Amino acid sequence: TQLLEQSPQFLSIQEGENLTVYCNSSSVFSSLQWYRQEPGEGPVLLVTVVTGGEVKKLKRLTFQFGDARKDSSLHITAAQPGDTGLYLCAGVRGSYGKLTFGQGTILTVHP
Amino acid sequence: ETGVTQTPRHLVMGMTNKKSLKCEQHLGHNAMYWYKQSAKKPLELMFVYNFKEQTENNSVPSRFSPECPNSSHLFLHLHTLQPEDSALYLCASSQMNNEQFFGPGTRLTVL
Repeated sequence: TQLLEQSPQFLSIQEGENLTVYCNSSSVFSSLQWYRQEPGEGPVLLVTVVTGGEVKKLKRLTFQFGDARKDSSLHITAAQPGDTGLYLCAGVRGSYGKLTFGQGTILTVHP
Repeated sequence: ETGVTQTPRHLVMGMTNKKSLKCEQHLGHNAMYWYKQSAKKPLELMFVYNFKEQTENNSVPSRFSPECPNSSHLFLHLHTLQPEDSALYLCASSQMNNEQFFGPGTRLTVL
């Protein structure tokens, strides 16, 4: 079983602070995806990183894929209350039909 | 309707009941998925259908029975469930080997 360890599980911060969420595995993935899920909704894909060492930016969110394609991080700059939600990483091996999800990070940003 | 829809959104059932969850995708995709999301556990893939054919059964107990009559509709038939089956059941769809789009989920409570 390929496991994705996501940390921290919970993060409660004030508006304007920076934060980083980590996703680590002992397995190599062909790519890694980050999702955000709000209460009462399904996960929504934020980004897919494919190349080892790749960095992608989405406004205040920066995603990085480790050189060995076993780990990834999500960094949020100047967090806002609208960033509150559950952040999930998912490793992709081969077909996109098989995703291995991390446990998720529940982020709460207080005004 | 657009995207992926799921009904009902909430379901409470006894252990002896039989019920069905419905998923419909309006995206023209040819692959559909059932996932289980429990508290404190990673999202678990249950079943995958490609072009109406089941291609993945992730060791799911037989009390969960999927049905895919066409590429746009997916059902999950439930019977004699256990309290530990209480969870959020998410449906997703994709074009083969591409991004998965999730529905809002059905919150299931088994009494």
